[in-house]
Amino acid sequence: GENVEQHPSTLSVQEGDSAVIKCTYSDSASNYFPWYKQELGKRPQLIIDIRSNVGEKKDQRIAVTLNKTAKHFSLHITETQPEDSAVYFCAAAVSSGSARQLTFGSGTQLTVLP
Amino acid sequence: SAVISQKPSRDICQRGTSLTIQCQVDSQVTMMFWYRQQPGQSLTLIATANQGSEATYESGFVIDKFPISRPNLTFSTLTVSNMSPEDSSIYLCSVDLGAFQETQYFGPGTRLLVL
Repeated sequence: GENVEQHPSTLSVQEGDSAVIKCTYSDSASNYFPWYKQELGKRPQLIIDIRSNVGEKKDQRIAVTLNKTAKHFSLHITETQPEDSAVYFCAAAVSSGSARQLTFGSGTQLTVLP
Repeated sequence: SAVISQKPSRDICQRGTSLTIQCQVDSQVTMMFWYRQQPGQSLTLIATANQGSEATYESGFVIDKFPISRPNLTFSTLTVSNMSPEDSSIYLCSVDLGAFQETQYFGPGTRLLVL
C-alpha cells in the first residue's frame, strides 16, 4: 500500500518568514495530493490540493509543488502569521473515480513566533 | 462543500462497554470514511462505509471490533466494541463528494476516553 513520509515533524519560524513542509510517497499510481491544517481541538481542514497533471498550484500565501519523478510534494507558506500555527498533514491518494482512500503523513507542528 | 455533524462530541466510557458514534451529512454522498486519530498522531483510516454494501476495513481493523452501518446516503455509524483504554482516541468521519471531486471533508470528531 501507499506510504507517505512527512518532514519536519516540528517547525518554528519567525512571523513573516516562509515555511516549507515536504512529503514523499511510495505509490507511483497516486495522483491526488491534499494538504490539511488542523488547529488544536479542531477537525482537519483542507487548505490546498494538487493533482498529478500539474506541477504547482498557488492560493494567496500558500503554494504546493509536485515532482512526480521523485515522488515528492511540498507545501510552501509565505509571509507566515501567528494564525498559521497548527499541525499540517499531507496526504496521497489514487483517484480512480470509485475509491479515493487518503494515506496521511505523520504531520508537522508549525509554530509561528511573533 | 458539505456540513458534517457527529454525535457524541465526546464521551468517557468504562472498559468492556461499547459506544456508537453517529455521522450525519447534509447531502447525499457515495462514500463515507471513518478515521482514528490517537493523541498527537496522524489520521489512520479504519474503514470505508459504502451504502448498500459491507464496509471495507483496513489492515489492523476488524468488523467485530468496529462494526459500521450505512443505512442511507447521508448517515453512518461506527461502534467501538468491548473498549479498552487503548481505544481512547478521536474518531472522525469524512466524506467525499462524488466521482470527480476528490476532496474529503471531515466531521468535528468524537473524543473518546476509556477508563
